[in-house]
Amino acid sequence: QVHLVQSGAEVKNPGSSVKVSCKASGGTFSRIAISWVRKAPGQGLEWLGAIIPVIGTPNYAQRFQDRLKITTDKSTSTYYMELSSLTSEDTAVYYCAKGAYLERSGYYNYFDSWGQGTLVTVSS
Amino acid sequence: DIVMTQSPDSLAVSLGERATINCKSGQIYTSNIENYLAWYQHKPGQPPKLLISWASSRESGVPDRFSGNGSATDFTLTISSLQAEDVAVYYCQQYYSSPDTFGQGTKLEIK
Repeated sequence: QVHLVQSGAEVKNPGSSVKVSCKASGGTFSRIAISWVRKAPGQGLEWLGAIIPVIGTPNYAQRFQDRLKITTDKSTSTYYMELSSLTSEDTAVYYCAKGAYLERSGYYNYFDSWGQGTLVTVSS
Repeated sequence: DIVMTQSPDSLAVSLGERATINCKSGQIYTSNIENYLAWYQHKPGQPPKLLISWASSRESGVPDRFSGNGSATDFTLTISSLQAEDVAVYYCQQYYSSPDTFGQGTKLEIK
């Protein structure tokens, strides 16, 4: 069972960047697919992007393509999500979530384990 | 992007009664997502919890009062006998094509 632990809450000024971490344990790091999903106040869940370390290249939702960066650190089994050019509309709880892997058919982007969430508040 | 639309937006059901939430997929050229559909339960202060994948496959440990049905464009989540701990917001999600997209959520309350 993969366990995901995220970094703590952040308060950021408009126009700045935030970097949230997600440390994985209980699985083979390179084969764990991680997506980043956010929940803004009064809004639904929104998928931002994903990465599978063994593949390497992240996949981003088009609307975040220009200001989102998802990276990994194999030495610490940690995934990172960095979002730049923040506005008040980026105020949300950000979750890392593990994508499913089925032995016979591979990776699928439904999420069977989640981090506890990181509140990012953008305010001047 | 595939748009997922849930109905109703909110629902109040008496304890022990049935609750049904609908989810419909749609986009300009094709709406068919086969059975690439998941349901999540989201309670305040907690991360979402996966209930059902592949439209009808219940996750291990999820009570059997939760069931999923449907294929192609129309899906349902049914709670056969509502319990107090089922109060939450429920989301459907398609993973047929990127970007994955969620419904807007259905808030389930006790009547």
